[in-house]
Amino acid sequence: GAVVSQHPSWVICKSGTSVKIECRSLDFQATTMFWYRQFPKQSLMLMATSNEGSKATYEQGVEKDKFLINHASLTLSTLTVTSAHPEDSSFYICSALDLAGGKLGQYFGPGTRLTVT
Amino acid sequence: QQQVKQSPQSLIVQKGGISIINCAYENTAFDYFPWYQQFPGKGPALLIAIRPDVSEKKEGRFTISFNKSAKQFSLHIMDSQPGDSATYFCAATIPNTGNQFYFGTGTSLTVIP
Repeated sequence: GAVVSQHPSWVICKSGTSVKIECRSLDFQATTMFWYRQFPKQSLMLMATSNEGSKATYEQGVEKDKFLINHASLTLSTLTVTSAHPEDSSFYICSALDLAGGKLGQYFGPGTRLTVT
Repeated sequence: QQQVKQSPQSLIVQKGGISIINCAYENTAFDYFPWYQQFPGKGPALLIAIRPDVSEKKEGRFTISFNKSAKQFSLHIMDSQPGDSATYFCAATIPNTGNQFYFGTGTSLTVIP
């Protein structure tokens, strides 16, 4: 149980284009999902908290107009990197909270490797 | 400000040995402390977690020791195996307050045969 999928697993795009990454909780409902960015050999950097049916909460320094987050259902959140630039190249990881039955589990997706050329 | 401090940054252990990773925190409101294991190119996977009402939790070869008064918790990997080579992150959260998890900086574990 508690499986989170992410699609695509890797993507290469040209500078100036937009890329959408999907995050799905496959066997549980998640009112809260998180989006992280991870640089090589570094910890997880929280970008934003995505709550179903409401606007995402962005961390300081994260451009909300560049990283668009939509949490349209209890099992799907999307991150769109708009007008991507090479400095946006990174490993993006989503996670979903499973709070059913008093649990507090944060389960991560497998990550998406974004390369902007 | 790093809410959760993790050490060491890297660790090399002989196969069969014990791997120990330590974390410390300041916020006494933290009430849930998970450990995650991450292999290169993959997302982190929940390994084991503890709440502060117990001092130790064991699952297979993995044990969390928790010292509430010292505000420290540690992960012990018994009989370490080469397949345990990965990056380990500790984390802490305050349930029901946005549920944001605060992660340590990670420990790269290498288990040599």
